[in-house]
Amino acid sequence: SQKIEQNSEALNIQEGKTATLTCNYTNYSPAYLQWYRQDPGRGPVFLLLIRENEKEKRKERLKVTFDTTLKQSLFHITASQPADSATYLCALGTANDMRFGAGTRLTVKP
Amino acid sequence: NAGVMQNPRHLVRRRGQEARLRCSPMKGHSHVYWYRQLPEEGLKFMVYLQKENIIDESGMPKERFSAEFPKEGPSILRIQQVVRGDSAAYFCASSPGGASSGANVLTFGAGSRLTVL
Repeated sequence: SQKIEQNSEALNIQEGKTATLTCNYTNYSPAYLQWYRQDPGRGPVFLLLIRENEKEKRKERLKVTFDTTLKQSLFHITASQPADSATYLCALGTANDMRFGAGTRLTVKP
Repeated sequence: NAGVMQNPRHLVRRRGQEARLRCSPMKGHSHVYWYRQLPEEGLKFMVYLQKENIIDESGMPKERFSAEFPKEGPSILRIQQVVRGDSAAYFCASSPGGASSGANVLTFGAGSRLTVL
C-alpha cells in the first residue's frame, strides 16, 4: 500500500541549531514533493517544491533534498528560531492529487 | 486577493443532521481539494474537483459524504446524517492547475471545524 512517513511526531531542538526532518514514501512515483508549514488552528502554508529531477532546493534558511532512489526527502532549517516552531508536512504530487504525511511537530527552544 | 475562503469556520451539529461546508477558491484557481484532519493527525485526502467535475474521490467515504464544485459558486462538501466520528477540521485548498500540471502548489483555507454532539 502507499505510505508517506515522516520521521517522528515531535522534534525538539535548541535555538540556533539545524533542524532536520525526514519524509519517506513507498509505492509512490511522485513527479514532485512539497513541504508545508502548519500552525495550530490554521491551514498549511506552502514552503518549498522540489521536482523529481532536482536533488536540492534552497530558500533562505530552508533546504530540501529529494532522493528518488532512497524514496526520501530531507527538510533542513538552519539557524533555527523559536518562531520556526510549527508542524511541518511533506506532500507528494501524483497524477491526480496531493497526498500528505502526518507531519512532524518541531519545537525550537530559546 | 482574499485567498481561499471557507465557511463556516465552526459548525456544531447534532447526530443525524446535515453539515454543509463551503469553499471559495482563490481567484483564477479552478481546482479544489478537500482534506480532513483529526486532532494531532495529518491531512487525509478526501476529494479533488475541477469545475463541474469530480477528478478523484477515492478518499471520501462512499456513504453520507458528497462534494461538488459547480460552474458558479463555491465548492460544497456535504455530510448527511452526521455521526460523532465526523467531528474534525475540514480543509479546502485550491490550485491554478491540475495535479499533473507539474507545479501544483496548494493554497489552503483556514478550515471548517465540525463538532457533532
